[in-house]
Amino acid sequence: KAGVTQTPRYLIKTRGQQVTLSCSPISGHRSVSWYQQTPGQGLQFLFEYFSETQRNKGNFPGRFSGRQFSNSRSEMNVSTLELGDSALYLCASSTTGMAEAFFGQGTRLTVV
Amino acid sequence: GQSLEQPSEVTAVEGAIVQINCTYQTSGFYGLSWYQQHDGGAPTFLSYNGLDGLEETGRFSSFLSRSDSYGYLLLQELQMKDSASYFCAVPNRDDKIIFGKGTRLHILP
Repeated sequence: KAGVTQTPRYLIKTRGQQVTLSCSPISGHRSVSWYQQTPGQGLQFLFEYFSETQRNKGNFPGRFSGRQFSNSRSEMNVSTLELGDSALYLCASSTTGMAEAFFGQGTRLTVV
Repeated sequence: GQSLEQPSEVTAVEGAIVQINCTYQTSGFYGLSWYQQHDGGAPTFLSYNGLDGLEETGRFSSFLSRSDSYGYLLLQELQMKDSASYFCAVPNRDDKIIFGKGTRLHILP
């Protein structure tokens, strides 16, 4: 069974630009969550999607958005990038009701 | 809201035992999980406690006390490859999982 796949693995963007990250969950998993990870801050919850609906949202500005498609693949978008958005963005998928989440390798975003 | 507290760093010696504690505050409780993350890698699931008591998986064990809102991860016979960050996490009813800030485990030879 293929794991969670995130693309791209690395990105360098300039302040003010926007970026779209992609996540393909494990087949059969309908819940997809996104996290931002920075040194010392752990994994900060961005949002969670289930069956194309955003069920949960973290405390991030509206520049951060996401969506989920009918095949459960998900994208997140960050507009008007700031230097502080530089981070590892992780996607996790799970079977609803389960405590175990499966993570992708992440996208390392650097904003210069 | 939900919040978790765990030590930022722990140091132990190879072959020894180490305990990483986690206290939590949640509105509704649906269990406590633990994840391991090596540098440059993705977090991977280690264990889950839904009820009080100890869960053992090889060299790793996890404990939960719901009355104390407290749990810990116990690593025995430490190996250098156990050097990593360890996160406790709590899920909510709608599959939102909140993570602690992580404990960096340093292992000395």
